[in-house]
Amino acid sequence: QVTLKESGPALVKPTQTLTVTCSFSGFSLSTSGMRVNWIRQPPGKALEWLARIDWDDDKFYSTSLKTRLTISKDTSKNKVVLTMTNMDPVDTATYYCARSAGGGYNWFDPWGQGTLVTVSS
Amino acid sequence: QSVLTQPPSVSGAPGQRVTISCSGSSSNIGAGYDVHWYQQLPGTAPKLLIFGNINRPSGVPDRFSGSKSGTSASLAITGLQAEDEAEYYCQSYDSSLSGYVFGTGTKVTVL
Repeated sequence: QVTLKESGPALVKPTQTLTVTCSFSGFSLSTSGMRVNWIRQPPGKALEWLARIDWDDDKFYSTSLKTRLTISKDTSKNKVVLTMTNMDPVDTATYYCARSAGGGYNWFDPWGQGTLVTVSS
Repeated sequence: QSVLTQPPSVSGAPGQRVTISCSGSSSNIGAGYDVHWYQQLPGTAPKLLIFGNINRPSGVPDRFSGSKSGTSASLAITGLQAEDEAEYYCQSYDSSLSGYVFGTGTKVTVL
């Protein structure tokens, strides 16, 4: 059974850097084709894809947020970390991680439960 | 700012059929990229509903079906049930953005 779970601070101040962690089980990021993504959802708004890291350490970022995002993985610990710099109140959102696979299988399944991050002074 | 456009809401009585459209462009759906659909029940994470335009994951009722044509896609729910009341999102890939894109979301209400 594949599961993912996000963790991170519930509250960050403007200009600070956010670090959220995705801990997963049931698959390995050392397996060819495996990918982990970060997606966020501001309260009452739509989903927005942020970043992806692949089994071979290839990394991809949202064009609009590329300069602020860094994604990394610890394969031995089954964890993926996303950092977002210079946080602003508009970055208040639930941050989800989700698995996807290569070879044209560009859907997200399953998702973690999400972690709500509020940006406020 | 979502790249794929969906109607904000659709509604129907129990047992009825409703459809949700997902309108894209030549850089995403029109370019041949697959469309996937997610169901998000209130207060929960999105769940994969349809993948590869028309396929249902194991456990998803056959009341849900997907289609794709040109630069748009659709999700149909037949035999609407109270438990189908949720937000629904389409998703694809956009070559001009070099990234994944989601729809604006559609709230389904069962009358």
